Order: sequence, then C-alpha cells, then structure tokens
Amino acid sequence: AQTVTQSQPEMSVQEAETVTLSCTYDTSESNYYLFWYKQPPSRQMILVIRQEAYKQQNATENRFSVNFQKAAKSFSLKISDSQLGDTAMYFCASSTEYGNKLVFGAGTILRVKS
Amino acid sequence: SQTIHQWPATLVQPVGSPLSLECTVEGTSNPNLYWYRQAAGRGLQLLFYSVGIGQISSEVPQNLSASRPQDRQFILSSKKLLLSDSGFYLCAWTRGVTDTQYFGPGTRLTVL
Repeated sequence: AQTVTQSQPEMSVQEAETVTLSCTYDTSESNYYLFWYKQPPSRQMILVIRQEAYKQQNATENRFSVNFQKAAKSFSLKISDSQLGDTAMYFCASSTEYGNKLVFGAGTILRVKS
Repeated sequence: SQTIHQWPATLVQPVGSPLSLECTVEGTSNPNLYWYRQAAGRGLQLLFYSVGIGQISSEVPQNLSASRPQDRQFILSSKKLLLSDSGFYLCAWTRGVTDTQYFGPGTRLTVL
C-alpha cells in the first residue's frame, strides 16, 4: 500500500522569499507518479506540479520546482519568490501505474505574509 | 478544453434525508471518474472510482453509493445521511490511470 507523509502542518514565509514544503512517501511499485496540489481558500484543488518516478530530472513549473530523491523516497516542493496568492493548503500525492488511485498526504498550510 | 462541473455547490441536509450529488465532465470521452471526501482540515479520502459506464469500484464501505449512468456523468448518493457524512466532496477525472487527476469545484455538505 502507498503512504504519503507531510510532516509540516503549517508554514509561513515572507513575500518574495523562498519556502520548501516536505513530503515523504512509501511504495513498493517500480513505477509511480508524484504530485503537488494546491487548495486555496476557495477549496478548488489545483495541480501545481507532477513528477514521473522514472524521470531523474526534477520537474519545474515557473516558480515551483521539486527536489525528487528517489532512494530516500522524498519529494519536496520549493516555491521561489513567494506571492500572496500562494497562500493555500498544499497536498502531496502519489499514484501507481496500475493502481488507478491517488493517495494524499495530510497537507501543509502555507501562509505568505506581506 | 475539458471542464468538470459539480452541483450543488453547497447543501445543508437533515440527518436521515437522501443525498444526490452530481458531477459531469465536458470536452472528453470515456474519462475515469473519482469521488473524494475531505473532512475539515484534512486530506482527501477516495470513496469511489469508475472506468466506464456502470462500472463502480468502492474504496470505503459506508452508507454512500455511486453510479455512472452516462459516459461523462458520475453521481454520489445516499438513502439516509449521517452526521459523519458532512464534508467537502470533490469529483475528479483523468484520461487514463497514469494521467493527472483534475478536480471539480466541490460540494460542501453539512448534515444537521
């Protein structure tokens, strides 16, 4: 069974600064996918970034990048130049190639302060 | 482009009443569809998923059920709501099992 752990319930960062959100996972699958989703106060779940486990290169999307450490089963999200609109709950999630399921962590509340 | 709709957006129901939440996807065919529940301040729990019309897989045994009467329609139902059914219900879709799941706007359900 897959598990996803986010050990930081809440974090805060000053506007324009950089912040890193942590995520560890456990799976016995050889191929799998990792995601970060953002849930702002509207509660709409928005995809931030996706990483395929067989790709060694870390995914990036504008100000968002990941540090994927496959051996350590770690998948952290770095947000550069934080903006007030980044304030949200961030969820780490994993899915397997054949499992047809997305397993979520408990989430990290990120507050960006001006 | 694809769009996913959910309604109603907000619902307040008494204990013991029936429930019907609807999810529809536009702009794609034969999507995989999912129902999740999110309790206050918590992560998402997968309730049901469907890979085709009439095909439903249940992840959590409870008083909820799901149906897929049409290719792009997914319905979450209950005959008698419990207080513990309160939460935020999200529908999601993918093209295939390895694809990213995209979520609808959600329904906030309060059972009193």
